Amino acid sequence: GQNIDQPTEMTATEGAIVQINCTYQTSGFNGLFWYQQHAGEAPTFLSYNVLDGLEEKGRFSSFLSRSKGYSYLLLKELQMKDSASYLCAVRDDPTDKLIFGTGTRLQVFP
Amino acid sequence: NAGVTQTPKFRILKIGQSMTLQCTQDMNHNYMYWYRQDPGMGLKLIYYSVGAGITDKGEVPNGYNVSRSTTEDFPLRLELAAPSQTSVYFCASSRTGDNSPLHFGNGTRLTVT
Repeated sequence: GQNIDQPTEMTATEGAIVQINCTYQTSGFNGLFWYQQHAGEAPTFLSYNVLDGLEEKGRFSSFLSRSKGYSYLLLKELQMKDSASYLCAVRDDPTDKLIFGTGTRLQVFP
Repeated sequence: NAGVTQTPKFRILKIGQSMTLQCTQDMNHNYMYWYRQDPGMGLKLIYYSVGAGITDKGEVPNGYNVSRSTTEDFPLRLELAAPSQTSVYFCASSRTGDNSPLHFGNGTRLTVT
């Protein structure tokens, strides 16, 4: 079976740093994705990890530990436009299904 | 490139009616997916396809059917609509598996009353 857990909601202040965690239990693993979704819109791709370690992309970084079934998304220098839901998704091996967690709704306050 | 195009954007169905949600992509992607998203929730995989002529069930396939006769099109059929199928439906495509990110359509908001 597959299970992907994320906190439901988080709040943070403009300019701060926030870390959104994702834990997963899947029968097979072939990579982890993070997506951003603004209310009423489609998800958009943020990052991908398949090997252990940190991937950095501007203000956003994503970390993966395969042995712990754990990932996090780090958002730095928060801006009001970062208020959105952040979805963690795991690609199953060998089926190639992409399974999403329930998402974390982040609210950024001035 | 239009990317992933879904039609219609909105639809209201009566209980027991049937309909087809259309999805087409012009990126020559092999992989296509259908997800549903209930309010305040994540995405649930309904069906997916890794190429023309191949389809597989996802997490919540009951009440739905798909076909993939061409690379471009991946329609989702709802038979005997039920209120539990009220949701936003997203179609997505990717080049292959591995690190290819999903490109999403803009979604179809379906209400069954």
